[in-house]
Amino acid sequence: GAVVSQHPSRVICKSGTSVKIECRSLDFQATTMFWYRQFPKQSLMLMATSNEGSKATYEQGVEKDKFLINHASLTLSTLTVTSAHPEDSSFYICSARDAGAGDTQYFGPGTRLTVL
Amino acid sequence: TQLLEQSPQFLSIQEGENLTVYCNSSSVFSSLQWYRQEPGEGPVLLVTVVTGGEVKKLKRLTFQFGDARKDSSLHITAAQPGDTGLYLCAATQAGAGSYQLTFGKGTKLSVIP
Repeated sequence: GAVVSQHPSRVICKSGTSVKIECRSLDFQATTMFWYRQFPKQSLMLMATSNEGSKATYEQGVEKDKFLINHASLTLSTLTVTSAHPEDSSFYICSARDAGAGDTQYFGPGTRLTVL
Repeated sequence: TQLLEQSPQFLSIQEGENLTVYCNSSSVFSSLQWYRQEPGEGPVLLVTVVTGGEVKKLKRLTFQFGDARKDSSLHITAAQPGDTGLYLCAATQAGAGSYQLTFGKGTKLSVIP
């Protein structure tokens, strides 16, 4: 299957700082990527849809000014958590849609964010 | 927003037993995926089903897509401790024009040696 990478895998930061997470599709081009958040023992919650060359679409209740998404190329989307606070601590996962594989979404390995 | 009901939520069985996980909705899906996720990792795609009535096999795992494309099941034969993990079903709604996935709440499977 297709490979999607995320960087960093873990990050610990102080409250008030900003953290950028990268999501890359390694062997296919992805016009659409998705960002999810997962709390312990829960399923994935879609935060936003990242579209190459246009603005991201955010789900209801997700602050677009806090979670900045940039999809500058067909293989890279970034999520920046601005002015992070302890309640932003979570497991963030991206996925990339492979249009050449029946629109199947392939997921990255996730990024564990801990805000102190 | 469509709901995807997944059951059971938790399942603890002995090695060698069989099990079935269900994923149901009142909506019609254009496709449905099953993923397996281990702690601290992203979901790994197991299978995609797109045709009503479709059955796919992956070693000891059998996946079925309902005729009406509203439900799916995952059956594991002779479960092994390596099957332990969180199983997630996810689907895209038919005709929605969006590629967004809706996830079920997941089934946490524990296979005891």
